[in-house]
Amino acid sequence: SQTIHQWPATLVQPVGSPLSLECTVEGTSNPNLYWYRQAAGRGLQLLFYSVGIGQISSEVPQNLSASRPQDRQFILSSKKLLLSDSGFYLCAWSVLEQVRETQYFGPGTRLLVL
Amino acid sequence: GQQVMQIPQYQHVQEGEDFTTYCNSSTTLSNIQWYKQRPGGHPVFLIQLVKSGEVKKQKRLTFQFGEAKKNSSLHITATQTTDVGTYFCAGPGPNDYKLSFGAGTTVTVRA
Repeated sequence: SQTIHQWPATLVQPVGSPLSLECTVEGTSNPNLYWYRQAAGRGLQLLFYSVGIGQISSEVPQNLSASRPQDRQFILSSKKLLLSDSGFYLCAWSVLEQVRETQYFGPGTRLLVL
Repeated sequence: GQQVMQIPQYQHVQEGEDFTTYCNSSTTLSNIQWYKQRPGGHPVFLIQLVKSGEVKKQKRLTFQFGEAKKNSSLHITATQTTDVGTYFCAGPGPNDYKLSFGAGTTVTVRA
């Protein structure tokens, strides 16, 4: 069966510090991978998605970046965090099933920038 | 671009009562999906509807896809405390398979 891992689970970082969040998927090949951010009590904002190794599409301009160095690894990074980067970061994967993609979310990382 | 809207944003329900949450898309959808996020948790896939007018049930939850495939509803009967959480609907964009999520309906239950 497929599983998705994210770490760390929680993170407190000072403004201006770098960030690296990691997401890995097991049990599937060539998944589509997604990074979302959820502000407290709000909906899901798609940040990046990837359909293959080295292929990254950005949905919103910001100080975050994403990379996919391996088929089942997706990394979210920042060189300098802003206060507004605080939130719940969710990684998700999907596999096209008869033109009907269902997304499966990881446990998320809660980031607080102070 | 495509927009998916959900109403209401918040739903306060007395335990045992029924309620419905609605989802509307600005474009016709090939399918619509519903997810549930428990407080402090991550969204979990509940169900997918594909056919026009389709109705699916999961115990006390009834999901419906509109005839025009632009709207959907989730009806919960005899609400329980386990129903607490945020329910999101999501639909794929017209030209790709990324999902557009609604803002969600956050449900709280009064015992």
